Amino acid sequence: DTEVTQTPKHLVMGMTNKKSLKCEQHMGHRAMYWYKQKAKKPPELMFVYSYEKLSINESVPSRFSPECPNSSLLNLHLHALQPEDSALYLCASSQGLTGYVDTQYFGPGTRLTVL
Amino acid sequence: AQTVTQSQPEMSVQEAETVTLSCTYDTSESDYYLFWYKQPPSRQMILVIRQEAYKQQNATENRFSVNFQKAAKSFSLKISDSQLGDAAMYFCAYRRGTSGSRLTFGEGTQLTVNP
Repeated sequence: DTEVTQTPKHLVMGMTNKKSLKCEQHMGHRAMYWYKQKAKKPPELMFVYSYEKLSINESVPSRFSPECPNSSLLNLHLHALQPEDSALYLCASSQGLTGYVDTQYFGPGTRLTVL
Repeated sequence: AQTVTQSQPEMSVQEAETVTLSCTYDTSESDYYLFWYKQPPSRQMILVIRQEAYKQQNATENRFSVNFQKAAKSFSLKISDSQLGDAAMYFCAYRRGTSGSRLTFGEGTQLTVNP
């Protein structure tokens, strides 16, 4: 089973709203990732959690706040977003083991629209 | 920094025919992995095939195979007996050997399969 789930599938929010994206995996993976993807472009890495600790932050604006409550869950809290933040947000997970191919498996994404 | 280049923004193939998608990369690392992902209109990123750099043998997965030329830093994907369901955006991706590392993606190749 290589399933990563993401909720919601679609989200529309105003610039003053606070919302959260949720990602879940039950594969025992210890590394989890948030990517942002604009139309017809490759995904861009935002954050990496390794063993529930934030290991990479790609200089993402503070209006995006990641959280990893446990090894299976990854949240992305959104506040005061801008219209240019509208994109597909992809979550991925991998085993997190050095020396192995450590393949990243992606969820179906959340399509975010900021009005 | 590592870079991944896909020189073909769009490709088309007739159903049942064979098509090859090109990918080159640049790295000074000796330990790394290469991947092909497909992203159909449903937008889920799906792993197609992966290659460990230390393996000389080219990876194959059913109708999908790669031509890995390490010295030339080339990693092309061959799709045999193309099917309508193969129509998607294909991304070539590179990852360093360290677990929890980012995936560096190429710009993608949009594959159309004509009936």
